[in-house]
Amino acid sequence: EAGVAQSPRYKIIEKRQSVAFWCNPISGHATLYWYQQILGQGPKLLIQFQNNGVVDDSQLPKDRFSAERLKGVDSTLKIQPAKLEDSAVYLCASSLGQGIAEAFFGQGTRLTVV
Amino acid sequence: GNSVTQMEGPVTLSEEAFLTINCTYTATGYPSLFWYVQYPGEGLQLLLKATKADDKGSNKGFEATYRKETTSFHLEKGSVQVSDSAVYFCALISNFGNEKLTFGTGTRLTIIP
Repeated sequence: EAGVAQSPRYKIIEKRQSVAFWCNPISGHATLYWYQQILGQGPKLLIQFQNNGVVDDSQLPKDRFSAERLKGVDSTLKIQPAKLEDSAVYLCASSLGQGIAEAFFGQGTRLTVV
Repeated sequence: GNSVTQMEGPVTLSEEAFLTINCTYTATGYPSLFWYVQYPGEGLQLLLKATKADDKGSNKGFEATYRKETTSFHLEKGSVQVSDSAVYFCALISNFGNEKLTFGTGTRLTIIP
């Protein structure tokens, strides 16, 4: 079974530029998560989708971050404009949902804002 | 809201020592509990899980028991190896509401030969 795919693996941009990350979840997984993991900290949930609907985006900085999940499958996360404090690893995960299923994580995208 | 509190690290142990990493939680309803591990340079991967009270999750010599009365899910291993060096995250999914996956802050474990 293919895992969660993310791209790119690494990205370096200057502050005030824009960047987009892509995630392809495991086939059939209804729930998709985007997390931000700053070095030395635990993952922080940015947004959670159930199929193509947003379930939780309470910690998403909506003035600069946006995300969508087209047709309930692939998802993109965008930052525009980026700030230095956005430097982090952005993790995508998916699960079957239903409250007990484990989440499977992609390798993540390491973003460096200079 | 839901939250997970983990033992702060870093933790350094000698090979073959006994390991305990404490984890307690606050959640609505009856959450499922997880331990994830992040090896150097790799992504997060599930180590073990428990979905109801008194369940014991186990994998690779690690164990954790879901204790509803103490709201805890402590990770244990009887004899650690150098290859166990990693960052360990306790997490939960509540079955009440939006099934948000909530993580603790992580505990960095280093095993020295």
